[in-house]
Amino acid sequence: DIQMTQSPSSLSASVGDRVTITCRASQSITINLNWYQQKPGKAPRLLIYAASSLQSGVPSRFSGSGSGTDFTLAISSLQPEDFASYYCQQTYTTPYTFGQGTKLEIK
Amino acid sequence: QVQLQESGPGLVKPSQTLSLTCTVSGGSITGGRYFWSWIRQPAGKGLEWIGRIDASGSTDYNPSLKSRVTISVDTSKNQFSLKVNSVTAADTAVYYCAREGLWGGHDASDIWGQGTMITVSS
Repeated sequence: DIQMTQSPSSLSASVGDRVTITCRASQSITINLNWYQQKPGKAPRLLIYAASSLQSGVPSRFSGSGSGTDFTLAISSLQPEDFASYYCQQTYTTPYTFGQGTKLEIK
Repeated sequence: QVQLQESGPGLVKPSQTLSLTCTVSGGSITGGRYFWSWIRQPAGKGLEWIGRIDASGSTDYNPSLKSRVTISVDTSKNQFSLKVNSVTAADTAVYYCAREGLWGGHDASDIWGQGTMITVSS
């Protein structure tokens, strides 16, 4: 299985900050990388697909980059509703695997 | 728009079979080139992809669970289902169903059910 490693596992930030979350794959996955946001008690929500494409309806302050083994999710100006957990997922080959998650908390 | 809804027993005894159904509404399970998948999440932990099925019945399973898992589809009811045999406490989790589609030529899960909590306990 392809292992996905996210960093950091948790992050404290303030409204208006720019934050970045990284995701590293154990082998090249080209651009088969998605990012999801999950709020407590809710299902994950697709934010970014194919490493850098913004899902319809997702605010433009979210962006994704990377290819191969290293990927980044950036949030340009944190809003109160962005405090949540974030997961990367590789869809290069089954079984599809997720990173362990990054919990973004209010400072 | 398409919505997914999981249904299941909530509580399953150890060694028994967990059975869940996901009902697709607002669209046909046979419409478009989609896979219909199951993902689970133990409390306070990350997401685990269990497997998927397409409308023709073609499946992919996570090898870590493959010997105990069966995913099936009933196109007449617009539903797909998950069975996990010989459950233990380690199978306690929130179970999600989701739609996987091709976005920019790459798979992603764009629609998820709300999730259903399954507890394995005697």
